[in-house]
Amino acid sequence: GAGVSQSPSNKVTEKGKDVELRCDPISGHTALYWYRQSLGQGLEFLIYFQGNSAPDKSGLPSDRFSAERTGGSVSTLTIQRTQQEDSAVYLCASSGRGGEQFFGPGTRLTVL
Amino acid sequence: QQQVKQSPQSLIVQKGGISIINCAYENTAFDYFPWYQQFPGKGPALLIAIRPDVSEKKEGRFTISFNKSAKQFSLHIMDSQPGDSATYFCAARMRGGANNLFFGTGTRLTVIP
Repeated sequence: GAGVSQSPSNKVTEKGKDVELRCDPISGHTALYWYRQSLGQGLEFLIYFQGNSAPDKSGLPSDRFSAERTGGSVSTLTIQRTQQEDSAVYLCASSGRGGEQFFGPGTRLTVL
Repeated sequence: QQQVKQSPQSLIVQKGGISIINCAYENTAFDYFPWYQQFPGKGPALLIAIRPDVSEKKEGRFTISFNKSAKQFSLHIMDSQPGDSATYFCAARMRGGANNLFFGTGTRLTVIP
């Protein structure tokens, strides 16, 4: 079966522009996570969706960041008014009953 | 504040040698400790995981040693191979929490042929 997919794989944008990053989780997985990986750093938790429950947004670094998950499947992470410090790899993961998180390949965001 | 501290930052090992990566944590609410392997351009992939009720778990050449009292755990890669060259992350998940993982900063392992 297909794993977690993310698009685009690379995104270059200018400072101040908005960007949308997409995640397609593994079919049937009810939990979906967004993480950010900055150069030389570990993964930083951003937001967590579980089924139809309200998302856990405790990791979002500022109100410029938001995410939604439509129909319990595809998720979009939106960054408004991008800043250079937003440059990172954004990783999406999903998990099913077993709880193991399966990661996508990530979207590399570069803000010029 | 880094919830999970990982060392070393980088490691070079000869083929056939043992690679050892160490992690430490403070929060006793953590109850699940996975290790992830990441190759360049790929997302992290689960390698092996342990819960604090056991002191060691082995899967093939990979072993996790867990010291609950010291709040430390380590990954041992036996008979290291060039194909093991990757970045390794330890992580921890909180009991009763949101299920998100707290990651260490990663160890870049290079296995020299």
